[in-house]
Amino acid sequence: GDSVTQMEGPVTLSEEACLTINCTYTATGYPSLFWYVQYPGEGLQLLLKATKADDKGSNKGFEATYRKETTSFHLEKGSVQVSDSAVYFCALSTSNTGNQFYFGTGTSLTVIP
Amino acid sequence: DTAVSQTPKYLVTQMGNDKSIKCEQNLGHDTMYWYKQDSKKFLKIMFSYNNKELIINETVPNRFSPKSPDKAHLNLHINSLELGDSAVYFCASSPYQQAMNTEAFFGQGTRLTVV
Repeated sequence: GDSVTQMEGPVTLSEEACLTINCTYTATGYPSLFWYVQYPGEGLQLLLKATKADDKGSNKGFEATYRKETTSFHLEKGSVQVSDSAVYFCALSTSNTGNQFYFGTGTSLTVIP
Repeated sequence: DTAVSQTPKYLVTQMGNDKSIKCEQNLGHDTMYWYKQDSKKFLKIMFSYNNKELIINETVPNRFSPKSPDKAHLNLHINSLELGDSAVYFCASSPYQQAMNTEAFFGQGTRLTVV
């Protein structure tokens, strides 16, 4: 079935370090791919998305490229800030059964000054 | 304007009690969901409704019963609460599959603590 495999955390980085959180997926058909962010005590917010192969989603300095050949959607940021500390979820949606969303296990990121 | 709103935000209750969590969305979406997030942040789909009809019902104890009076509301009722039900419950909504490129919108969550 459809699924998302996400790099396990927790991840701790110093401010201004580079970030990569790996995400790979398994899906039939052509899923849309998403990164969500959850700040402490809050709900999930969409960070970025890509709806077809080779699309690049970007927001707040974060980027991810939909790679069909490697079934990946890795999240990257060149220089993280303390305010980026949160849990990041990779997700996909398919139309196999309504508009169903599959989430990865989440990766906790802590950025220290 | 809150797109997806859940109440209450916090719920502390004793084992064996019955409780409800309410969810409303003002986005005009057809599909609504309930997710459970455990202490390790893992998100598990519980239910999905499309236009008041149940379309996903994952392996969830039948003590959990969703109710959708209209497509803007999806409430979650839990009977005979157990310690293991303690978690954060998230409501979400999205357009139906013909607009599958659109993301799901989440509420702020309800932190349920069973003591």
